Amino acid sequence: NAGVTQTPKFQVLKTGQSMTLQCAQDMNHEYMSWYRQDPGMGLRLIHYSVGAGITDQGEVPNGYNVSRSTTEDFPLRLLSAAPSQTSVYFCATQGASSGNTIYFGEGSWLTVV
Amino acid sequence: GENVEQHPSTLSVQEGDSAVIKCTYSDSASNYFPWYKQELGKRPQLIIDIRSNVGEKKDQRIAVTLNKTAKHFSLHITETQPEDSAVYFCAASINSGYSTLTFGKGTMLLVSP
Repeated sequence: NAGVTQTPKFQVLKTGQSMTLQCAQDMNHEYMSWYRQDPGMGLRLIHYSVGAGITDQGEVPNGYNVSRSTTEDFPLRLLSAAPSQTSVYFCATQGASSGNTIYFGEGSWLTVV
Repeated sequence: GENVEQHPSTLSVQEGDSAVIKCTYSDSASNYFPWYKQELGKRPQLIIDIRSNVGEKKDQRIAVTLNKTAKHFSLHITETQPEDSAVYFCAASINSGYSTLTFGKGTMLLVSP
């Protein structure tokens, strides 16, 4: 049981490049979300999904796209990377089977140069 | 939307002392208040949470109190140990089956031997 798996763990991008951060969970959780963490800012919600086929915006959605074609996967796409997107990204899941406790993945460190 | 303020931003204590971290929230509809501990380079880990129908909750050396009237909640750590050194985040949400968390900006706790 891997829990919440994020890939890649580290990535360096050039400004303007696109990429996808992967998040996969094997806990059959209904709810998945993406947060970014910046120094002194806590964690801020980017996008979230309450089930397959349903996504919604969080506090800081600009520059990011998501999709939820399956219960297990919730990829985060950076369309045209900017230095302001340098951050640590955490995927999180939540489900009734785990008492609705929110579990975080190990994080993805992204640097945009 | 919800706004969570957390104080202090840094806290230094001697081993064995108590530590208190305080948070206030703005949305009176919020009813779920988790606390996360994050060690350097690691993911946030849930250490304790409280729901609005409870005023206090304890788990060994950790306790959380909630004052709904004043819209604030606090984390109390007694008999601190060096391994308690980490960044602690409070969060608030309206938990109606799933939660999208609004985080405070974090408190760096340093416990000196």
